[in-house]
Amino acid sequence: GAGVSQTPSNKVTEKGKYVELRCDPISGHTALYWYRQSLGQGPEFLIYFQGTGAADDSGLPNDRFFAVRPEGSVSTLKIQRTERGDSAVYLCASSLIAGGPVTDTQYFGPGTRLTVL
Amino acid sequence: LAKTTQPISMDSYEGQEVNITCSHNNIATNDYITWYQQFPSQGPRFIIQGYKTKVTNEVASLFIPADRKSSTLSLPRVSLSDTAVYYCLAFNNNDMRFGAGTRLTVKP
Repeated sequence: GAGVSQTPSNKVTEKGKYVELRCDPISGHTALYWYRQSLGQGPEFLIYFQGTGAADDSGLPNDRFFAVRPEGSVSTLKIQRTERGDSAVYLCASSLIAGGPVTDTQYFGPGTRLTVL
Repeated sequence: LAKTTQPISMDSYEGQEVNITCSHNNIATNDYITWYQQFPSQGPRFIIQGYKTKVTNEVASLFIPADRKSSTLSLPRVSLSDTAVYYCLAFNNNDMRFGAGTRLTVKP
């Protein structure tokens, strides 16, 4: 079946602008995660959803970052007043379940490369 | 959350077996050890997961000693296409934090 998809694949914006990044998880996956990855570093956790609610948003760097998942499927990561330091690849992942003693495999999308000029 | 330490980079040649060791001295009782692989311009891909002793699948083997303070990912007979970054994580309940990983370069 289809994997995790993310749109757009590339986004170039100007400092101070607002951007939205979209993630379509694998159908039926209840958990959805957002990460961002800078060049040469591993993915950095931002937030994860269990269903429609944000179960853990401790990785969001500040209040300019916000994410929603209103119907428990598609999620949108929103960044206000973008800064050059926000430039990175934003990765989305989904898993069938979340929680419990055995961690379920996360399936990652290809990412959105955000460039803030 | 267990912190993991792994080599920054490794080189190998086609056909060789590659072993990447990860240390996680503060691993918690409920933590599982999981390895992901990442190619350029792609998201990470799950390779293998284990709790103790040895786990093997069609891609790799994972060796975990009794004290669980380290683990070794073993890739048999690597090919050029195995050139990637490999991440070791020790966590539970989806509390997944990536380090910088090990950049494996397979040479012809």
